[in-house]
Amino acid sequence: GAGVSQTPSNKVTEKGKYVELRCDPISGHTALYWYRQSLGQGPEFLIYFQGTGAADDSGLPNDRFFAVRPEGSVSTLKIQRTERGDSAVYLCASSSVGGEETQYFGPGTRLLVL
Amino acid sequence: AQKITQTQPGMFVQEKEAVTLDCTYDTSDPSYGLFWYKQPSSGEMIFLIYQGSYDQQNATEGRYSLNFQKARKSANLVISASQLGDSAMYFCAMRGPGSARQLTFGSGTQLTVLP
Repeated sequence: GAGVSQTPSNKVTEKGKYVELRCDPISGHTALYWYRQSLGQGPEFLIYFQGTGAADDSGLPNDRFFAVRPEGSVSTLKIQRTERGDSAVYLCASSSVGGEETQYFGPGTRLLVL
Repeated sequence: AQKITQTQPGMFVQEKEAVTLDCTYDTSDPSYGLFWYKQPSSGEMIFLIYQGSYDQQNATEGRYSLNFQKARKSANLVISASQLGDSAMYFCAMRGPGSARQLTFGSGTQLTVLP
C-alpha cells in the first residue's frame, strides 16, 4: 500500500514568511508525528497526534510553530515568521496504536529559509 | 530524560562481511521500545528492526539482528553479509518511557561498505 507522503519535497522561503508543510499518513494509522532533522543530527520530536487532537506538543520549539490534523488524517505543520534557524528537514511519521507501534516515515520536506 | 548514544560517527566494512553498530541508552523506566532505522542519502528513514524491553529473545529481521543486553543498556545492530546498498546513515531510537510514544534518536553512524 501507499506509504507516508509529504509535500512539498523542497521549500525555499525568505526570512519572515509563513510556510505550510503537509503530511498524508498511511491509511488507517491513527497516530501521526512530526520531527525536525538538522544537518548531521538525528531527528528531534516536535508533536504527536492521536486522531484529531495533539496528544503531545512538548517538542515544538516556540509559538511560531503550530500543527493541525482536523479530520484525523492529513496534517499540516505551520511555521510563522520563519527564521534562518528553521532550515532543516521536516519529517512526518505515522503508526497504528498497540503492539510495536512502529513509526513509518515519509520522505521529508527540506525547508530552506534565506 | 531519555538518552540514546551512538559513539561511532563513521564505520567502514568490507562487502560480504558482518558489522556491528553500537547503541547505548539511558532510561529509568522498565517499559520501552528500541528501534533501528536506515537513512540513505535520499533522506527517507527506513525501519529495520524493533526490540521491546520485555522481549526475551533478540530480534532478527533477515540480515539484521539486534544484540540486546538489557543490564548493560545496549542495543547493538548487527548486519551480516554486508552489501554495497547498506551504505547509509543508521539511527538507533527509543520509544518511551511508559506511555510516551515519540522516538528519541541517537546522532547516527555513517556506514560505508567497501567493494
